[in-house]
Amino acid sequence: QQQVKQSPQSLIVQKGGISIINCAYENTAFDYFPWYQQFPGKGPALLIAIRPDVSEKKEGRFTISFNKSAKQFSLHIMDSQPGDSATYFCAAREYSSASKIIFGSGTRLSIRP
Amino acid sequence: EPEVTQTPSHQVTQMGQEVILRCVPISNHLYFYWYRQILGQKVEFLVSFYNNEISEKSEIFDDQFSVERPDGSNFTLKIRSTKLEDSAMYFCASSDPQLAKNIQYFGAGTRLSVL
Repeated sequence: QQQVKQSPQSLIVQKGGISIINCAYENTAFDYFPWYQQFPGKGPALLIAIRPDVSEKKEGRFTISFNKSAKQFSLHIMDSQPGDSATYFCAAREYSSASKIIFGSGTRLSIRP
Repeated sequence: EPEVTQTPSHQVTQMGQEVILRCVPISNHLYFYWYRQILGQKVEFLVSFYNNEISEKSEIFDDQFSVERPDGSNFTLKIRSTKLEDSAMYFCASSDPQLAKNIQYFGAGTRLSVL
């Protein structure tokens, strides 16, 4: 019940295309859903996050769509660029405490020029 | 921009040896964490630390692991007797729950190789 399931494992998108990564969770106590971006040799860096009281959050080319009833959320990267090539992790946390982050299994995204 | 710093970037050790991984969290943060990432796998929570004591730990964090904040700036993870399966990237993170969103900021990690 603590898991966050993420798909696909890897994704190749042409430059300028839309990258979509999907995640699902079971634990209804999760109340904060961040996405982390990780480049090789670096630690995860917060990209964008959402709370389940909204269905969508957009920051620049990055959008999170959230479906609370289905317990699913997704990251959309519009106009994908080669610099977006990285591993993306969805995650979840109980917002009310400084508790641990539960990470998804990661998606290795490659943007082809 | 403030950042979490970790040393060393790569640690090589023999099986059975003790290792200490070091972290300097962001200076005004109050919560500290260790996570690990086995090569090609997801990031896994190990332990959280607040007010000089462990606030939460995972099943991975057994008696071979310990954490300490020896002074006002460092936060360490000790593995007493390393095993081959301890080889992984270890990430330190810190957060301040008084700040909006309580974002956890991660360091660049220490790659631990147990031979």
